[in-house]
Amino acid sequence: DTGVSQDPRHKITKRGQNVTFRCDPISEHNRLYWYRQTLGQGPEFLTYFQNEAQLEKSRLLSDRFSAERPKGSFSTLEIQRTEQGDSAMYLCASSLWGYGYTFGSGTRLTVV
Amino acid sequence: AQSVTQLGSHVSVSEGALVLLRCNYSSSVPPYLFWYVQYPNQGLQLLLKYTTGATLVKGINGFEAEFKKSETSFHLTKPSAHMSDAAEYFCAVSLFTGNQFYFGTGTSLTVIP
Repeated sequence: DTGVSQDPRHKITKRGQNVTFRCDPISEHNRLYWYRQTLGQGPEFLTYFQNEAQLEKSRLLSDRFSAERPKGSFSTLEIQRTEQGDSAMYLCASSLWGYGYTFGSGTRLTVV
Repeated sequence: AQSVTQLGSHVSVSEGALVLLRCNYSSSVPPYLFWYVQYPNQGLQLLLKYTTGATLVKGINGFEAEFKKSETSFHLTKPSAHMSDAAEYFCAVSLFTGNQFYFGTGTSLTVIP
């Protein structure tokens, strides 16, 4: 396992469609984080999991966003009824009890 | 509340010149501080971090940063810029190691040959 994997790398979708992204953390890492990065800005925290439990959610995570980590391994982030403002890079990171915090390469979402 | 301010959204230096990227933080408790680098269409790579102990922290690729509590600063420096240093740099703060990060808006570094 060489790092945090995110799929897809790029996604173009029409406004109003639903999209789902996947993150595979480093295998022994128990914590998983999602961030959103818009153009010209730093990443903003969305949510994080410890094993399968979602422990914290940002106010940025509107009702259209949902994240899961059903077996405490990979995670999915779903956006329903996408809007143009959702266009961003979605970054995943993982750590082992907060150590070895590692980011993936991100999924770039473009809503047209 | 925690926040980070990066002064200068764009910095240009000549190859071989000193790199200085500024970061000031605000934190209600002793912070953990980080510098990350991001190349185009890539994720974030950790350059260095301060948690406790020595206030001068050395990182990868010749970068270092000094935690100055009295100035609430954590500026990033490198004595001699290389073309490969051209990238976006982010300063970040967290309350505890492994907690969520609060990132600055980033500084784009251009290295002029």
